[in-house]
Amino acid sequence: SQQGEEDPQALSIQEGENATMNCSYKTSINNLQWYRQNSGRGLVHLILIRSNEREKHSGRLRVTLDTSKKSSSLLITASRAADTASYFCATDYSGSARQLTFGSGTQLTVLP
Amino acid sequence: NAGVTQTPKFRVLKTGQSMTLLCAQDMNHEYMYWYRQDPGMGLRLIHYSVGEGTTAKGEVPDGYNVSRLKKQNFLLGLESAAPSQTSVYFCASSYGARGDYGYTFGSGTRLTVV
Repeated sequence: SQQGEEDPQALSIQEGENATMNCSYKTSINNLQWYRQNSGRGLVHLILIRSNEREKHSGRLRVTLDTSKKSSSLLITASRAADTASYFCATDYSGSARQLTFGSGTQLTVLP
Repeated sequence: NAGVTQTPKFRVLKTGQSMTLLCAQDMNHEYMYWYRQDPGMGLRLIHYSVGEGTTAKGEVPDGYNVSRLKKQNFLLGLESAAPSQTSVYFCASSYGARGDYGYTFGSGTRLTVV
């Protein structure tokens, strides 16, 4: 069973707007990661946030983690057409044997 | 750096045929993984390896076998392909354990079983 679930499943915005995607998970985690997948390509690692961190930034990306609500959000500011992709959260949950569990993803479309 | 290279990129098999998917990484990563990606289901772990000579089952291992004879290579085998194995297969590698490091993914193998 999948640990993380993204919301919404699909998101369409105009270029320059901010995009927010959410991830909910079920059990305690060690860390949570976000990945991007362009159509027909492999996943690319974006950012990792540890269970003892609440917020992390990387360029136009901002990730938050709320362990009490078992949720995370990924904010992409000033979106560009090139940000069009699927975004996945992946959880490394406590007790797992060295593997990440991926959600089903959010399909982001940025319209020019 | 090539990163993670998967071969082949595309393949069509007939039911009952066998094949091997090859994953090669040049980053000296200890950990390697095989996932399958199906529409609406995200990625599901098939098998993984925590080092040369080791393999372990993931979430959906049935119908697949793996081998890690060399640190840089991780092979995924289908002994008798079934239509349910039609999917996109991704190999990934990581430096450390327990998801403490980001995974590096290959570009995928699109397999169709008819």
